[in-house]
Amino acid sequence: GENVEQHPSTLSVQEGDSAVIKCTYSDSASNYFPWYKQELGKGPQLIIDIRSNVGEKKDQRIAVTLNKTAKHFSLHITETQPEDSAVYFCAASPSSGNTGKLIFGQGTTLQVKP
Amino acid sequence: GAVVSQHPSRVICKSGTSVKIECRSLDFQATTMFWYRQFPKQSLMLMATSNEGSKATYEQGVEKDKFLINHASLTLSTLTVTSAHPEDSSFYICSATGGRPEAFFGQGTRLTVV
Repeated sequence: GENVEQHPSTLSVQEGDSAVIKCTYSDSASNYFPWYKQELGKGPQLIIDIRSNVGEKKDQRIAVTLNKTAKHFSLHITETQPEDSAVYFCAASPSSGNTGKLIFGQGTTLQVKP
Repeated sequence: GAVVSQHPSRVICKSGTSVKIECRSLDFQATTMFWYRQFPKQSLMLMATSNEGSKATYEQGVEKDKFLINHASLTLSTLTVTSAHPEDSSFYICSATGGRPEAFFGQGTRLTVV
């Protein structure tokens, strides 16, 4: 089955700097890769996603890149702000499973220092 | 994004009792709902997948007789933790999808068994 590895587990940056979180997946048939932001005591919130037929997607300060050959994808946050501090999870959706089924990475705790 | 409502947000119950958690899709028809469990500072672990009108599919290692899932309508799925014990204390989160890859999460339920 699918396995998703996420790095780093913790990331601390100064406000205004960029943050990059990386994930690798094992199932080459996976075709959908979302990123979620989770604040303490709340459910995950979808912040950006990318499908396997696209190499890069950007939404304001957030971008995601996908390298299908290497089976890895990354989240890029530019001009970080204190409110970006949260736990970020990457996920992969196996093509053989139910639509919406996700396998999650281990999570990255991002701290943005003012 | 679509709205998924989960209730209750927190529940404390006595050991040996049962607890029901509801997950509702408010503005779309959820053909599939997923239930996850999350321990502190850990990732989301998929427990089961439920399709409307069908029996739930449980992940390996999840006791189907302890975690009863019902998906009777396109907008409601319930998870009942039966004969709860302290080791069942956790953060339970549902997600829902309407036939597209995107999955939207509820706010989560913090279950404490005393």
